[in-house]
Amino acid sequence: KNQVEQSPQSLIILEGKNCTLQCNYTVSPFSNLRWYKQDTGRGPVSLTIMTFSENTKSNGRYTATLDADTKQSSLHITASQLSDSASYICVVIASGGSYIPTFGRGTSLIVHP
Amino acid sequence: KAGVTQTPRYLIKTRGQQVTLSCSPISGHRSVSWYQQTPGQGLQFLFEYFSETQRNKGNFPGRFSGRQFSNSRSEMNVSTLELGDSALYLCASSLETRTAEQYFGPGTRLTVT
Repeated sequence: KNQVEQSPQSLIILEGKNCTLQCNYTVSPFSNLRWYKQDTGRGPVSLTIMTFSENTKSNGRYTATLDADTKQSSLHITASQLSDSASYICVVIASGGSYIPTFGRGTSLIVHP
Repeated sequence: KAGVTQTPRYLIKTRGQQVTLSCSPISGHRSVSWYQQTPGQGLQFLFEYFSETQRNKGNFPGRFSGRQFSNSRSEMNVSTLELGDSALYLCASSLETRTAEQYFGPGTRLTVT
């Protein structure tokens, strides 16, 4: 069964600090992995899309890594800001056949001043 | 370029009724996907339309249906509403489904009483 597990479930950090969110998946065969940021009451916004051959991808202060061998991804946030407070969702897309995305439950990040 | 729009933004229905939600994708996008988001289950894939054809469907009962028009606008319908259908319904559009970036709308908050 395809699954995506995210950790931690929630995280509280101080403004200006860095943090790393984890995503482990069992989706196979693999097409791509996506990280989304979702503010409360809003739709998710894409941060990165990574394919099998990509190890690292950055989007401003957000850097995602992918290890396709161990089926792990991480999202690193540098110099956090209050506006980073949101839910971060990892999604894995399988290749071939039907398009059925598998979602993680998300990590809720709170940045305190 | 205008983003994805969803109407209505909020909706309150009674158990047993039916509801129709609308999604207007970004101009030029032919793929529209629908998702259900609840606190208990997180984000779940409902179905995806491309050029007026349903290409993929998630694991939801037949009470959930949709369609796409020639201008790529999409509607989803839920018949015989149940309390458990209370959720945020999100649609997302993209140029194509599997590898292109998806742009989410703000969602429709459906409450079933």
